[in-house]
This record gives sequence, structure tokens and C-alpha cells, in this order.
Amino acid sequence: GQNIDQPTEMTATEGAIVQINCTYQTSGFNGLFWYQQHAGEAPTFLSYNVLDGLEEKGRFSSFLSRSKGYSYLLLKELQMKDSASYLCAVVDSNYQLIWGAGTKLIIKP
Amino acid sequence: ETGVTQSPTHLIKTRGQQVTLRCSSQSGHNTVSWYQQALGQGPQFIFQYYREEENGRGNFPPRFSGLQFPNYSSELNVNALELDDSALYLCASRPETGGEKLFFGSGTQLSVL
Repeated sequence: GQNIDQPTEMTATEGAIVQINCTYQTSGFNGLFWYQQHAGEAPTFLSYNVLDGLEEKGRFSSFLSRSKGYSYLLLKELQMKDSASYLCAVVDSNYQLIWGAGTKLIIKP
Repeated sequence: ETGVTQSPTHLIKTRGQQVTLRCSSQSGHNTVSWYQQALGQGPQFIFQYYREEENGRGNFPPRFSGLQFPNYSSELNVNALELDDSALYLCASRPETGGEKLFFGSGTQLSVL
């Protein structure tokens, strides 16, 4: 079967750095997304990785290792507005998105 | 702003009823997919349409059906509603070219009583 694993919940302090991990086992791989979702709202796009390595975009960076079936999202200089769920999703061999259950990130002052 | 709009934003139905949810995508977004997201869970893929034809389906029963129209709008129809159908329903579209990034609508929150 296909599986995406993320921690259920994480807590971090405003101004700090947090890393959210995602491991996956899917039938094929055609890229990995990270989306941010605030409660009651639609997911918003953060990053897309298809090759190994680190992609940096402002305060957010995403890393991919295809050989390890592993990705992480790194958030720097945390702000209170970063409190949200972070969803990892993999594009499988049929070009369909397989989603993790999301990681709820709680930011404390 | 993703350019994808969904209606209605909230809906309350009773068990056994039928519901139609609507989505309007940006011009040129020929691929549209629908997802069901239960509280505290990731989105679950329902189906995908490309140029008005279904070209992928998740593990949902036939009472979940859809349509895509030439004007980049689409519908999700659910018959014989069950209590477990209560969820956030998301529509996402993708342009003909420009990679795999999905543009999501803000969703329809469906409550089945």
C-alpha cells in the first residue's frame, strides 16, 4: 500500500526554527509537495521538490532524498501566523496525489 | 488568491439527500480534481477530470460522481448522503502546462445530519 508518515503535532517557540519530517512509501514518485493549511481553510502551496536536495524560499526550505523516501520542511524565524497544519503529499506513478494526515504546528510566544 | 472558487462555502443536509458542489477554475486549467478532507486528516482523492473526462478515481463509491464543463467549471455530486460524508470538500485545478502544482479553492464544508 501507499503510505505517508508525518508527526501528528509539534510545538515550537516564536523566533525559533522547526523541522517537520515526512517519510513516504508510494508506487512510483513524480514529486513531493508541502502545503500549509490553516483551520477551516484550503491548503496553500509552499514547495514542490522533484530532485534531491534543498530548495530555499524565504523563511521556508524543503529537502528531498528520493533514495531514502524522505523529505523535510524547515521553517525559520517562526511567527505566530505560522501556526497551522503542514501537509506532505507525493505524486505517485499515476500522477495522483497521496496525502499525509498533516502535522499540526503550534507556535508559542 | 488561487483563482479557484467553490460554492457554497457551507451546506447542511440530512442523511439520504443528494448534494451538488460547484467549482470554477481559471481559464486554461484543464485538469480538476476533488478531495474529501475529514477533520484532522489529510485530503483524500475522490476523482480527477481532464478535458471533461474522468481520468482517475480514488476509493470512493459510485454515489460520488462528477462533471467537468468546457468553461472550466465542474461539479461534485453525492447521492444518498451518509453521516460520514460530513467533511470539507476541496476542488483543485492545474493548468495544461506549468508543472504539477495544484491551485485549491477554499472548499465547501458539508455537514450531514
